[in-house]
Amino acid sequence: KQEVTQIPAALSVPEGENLVLNCSFTDSAIYNLQWFRQDPGKGLTSLLLIQSSQREQTSGRLNASLDKSSGRSTLYIAASQPGDSATYLCAVRDNYGQNFVFGPGTRLSVLP
Amino acid sequence: SQTIHQWPATLVQPVGSPLSLECTVEGTSNPNLYWYRQAAGRGLQLLFYSVGIGQISSEVPQNLSASRPQDRQFILSSKKLLLSDSGFYLCAWAPPLVGSYEQYFGPGTRLTVT
Repeated sequence: KQEVTQIPAALSVPEGENLVLNCSFTDSAIYNLQWFRQDPGKGLTSLLLIQSSQREQTSGRLNASLDKSSGRSTLYIAASQPGDSATYLCAVRDNYGQNFVFGPGTRLSVLP
Repeated sequence: SQTIHQWPATLVQPVGSPLSLECTVEGTSNPNLYWYRQAAGRGLQLLFYSVGIGQISSEVPQNLSASRPQDRQFILSSKKLLLSDSGFYLCAWAPPLVGSYEQYFGPGTRLTVT
């Protein structure tokens, strides 16, 4: 059964810092991996989707990498801003079903 | 463009009362539909998914049920709520193609069972 973990659980950084969020999964037979952002009390907003054949995806200040063989993905946020404060979740879709398995999330606080 | 709606946004219900949460999607046909629950301080738990009208798959045994009476309508129900049903309920959709595709989430319903 696929399990997804995220480290750290919480992170607090000063504005302007570059930071890395980590996501690990136990079964490397995935179809894709998706990073989401969730603001308090809100739904999830998709940030980046990486296909299993890809190594990375970039959108603005965000860069997500995927190492399927080692079961890891990282989300790199450059020049962090207070508006980046949110919970970041990763989710993997495996090859066997229609479903996504989510990690518990990393709660990020960017201090002005 | 596609949009996904959920209502109500918040709900306070007593233990033992019934529940009905609704989710609708616009701008797409035959989407895969999902119900998730997010309990306080915990990750998202997949409750149900549907690949077509009347087709419901349950991921965990629970006090809840789901129905898909129309192509773009997904309903989460309970006959008698428990305290443990409190949480943030999220509906999501994904394109119907087999292969790599994204999930898109609705705004969620905050349910408090008292």
